[in-house]
Amino acid sequence: GAVVSQHPSWVICKSGTSVKIECRSLDFQATTMFWYRQFPKQSLMLMATSNEGSKATYEQGVEKDKFLINHASLTLSTLTVTSAHPEDSSFYICSARRGLVYEQYFGPGTRLTVT
Amino acid sequence: SQQGEEDPQALSIQEGENATMNCSYKTSINNLQWYRQNSGRGLVHLILIRSNEREKHSGRLRVTLDTSKKSSSLLITASRAADTASYFCATDDAGKSTFGDGTTLTVKP
Repeated sequence: GAVVSQHPSWVICKSGTSVKIECRSLDFQATTMFWYRQFPKQSLMLMATSNEGSKATYEQGVEKDKFLINHASLTLSTLTVTSAHPEDSSFYICSARRGLVYEQYFGPGTRLTVT
Repeated sequence: SQQGEEDPQALSIQEGENATMNCSYKTSINNLQWYRQNSGRGLVHLILIRSNEREKHSGRLRVTLDTSKKSSSLLITASRAADTASYFCATDDAGKSTFGDGTTLTVKP
């Protein structure tokens, strides 16, 4: 089956610093990658959709200057949380798909804690 | 806001019993998927059912889809303690998945 990895799996950073999270599709080329955020005991909220080589499309209410998404290749997308604050502490999950007719494959998630 | 709403929010059963979770959604969809998430972990894909399908099986899992009622159900038969997890439905519309609020299932040994 298709495998999506995320790195790091958890990270602790100080308020005001930036953190980069990587999402890789290991055995397929992902034309589209998605980034989700999940707060404790809540569902996944879609943050943005990124297509390789083009700018990400952000969901309403998600600050694109704060959550920088880069989808530089068909196997890698990155999410950078800039000037992190404690309220950005959350579980960030990416997913990838090969095309519209294919299901999404989810990464294992990255737990971010901002102190 | 979330497309899907799941019912019940929490379900507690004894090992060996069946568990049924329901998902309702609001707009037309291409397909609907069910996922499982163990506490603090990523999502595991369970089943995808397309809009022209009514029922699908995978092992102890049975999913139904009623597009006229905009609802789906996930049945887990002969539950095991290892089935304890949160279960989410996700609807696929125009290439984006929107998740329901989830059902937390606890299976007591």
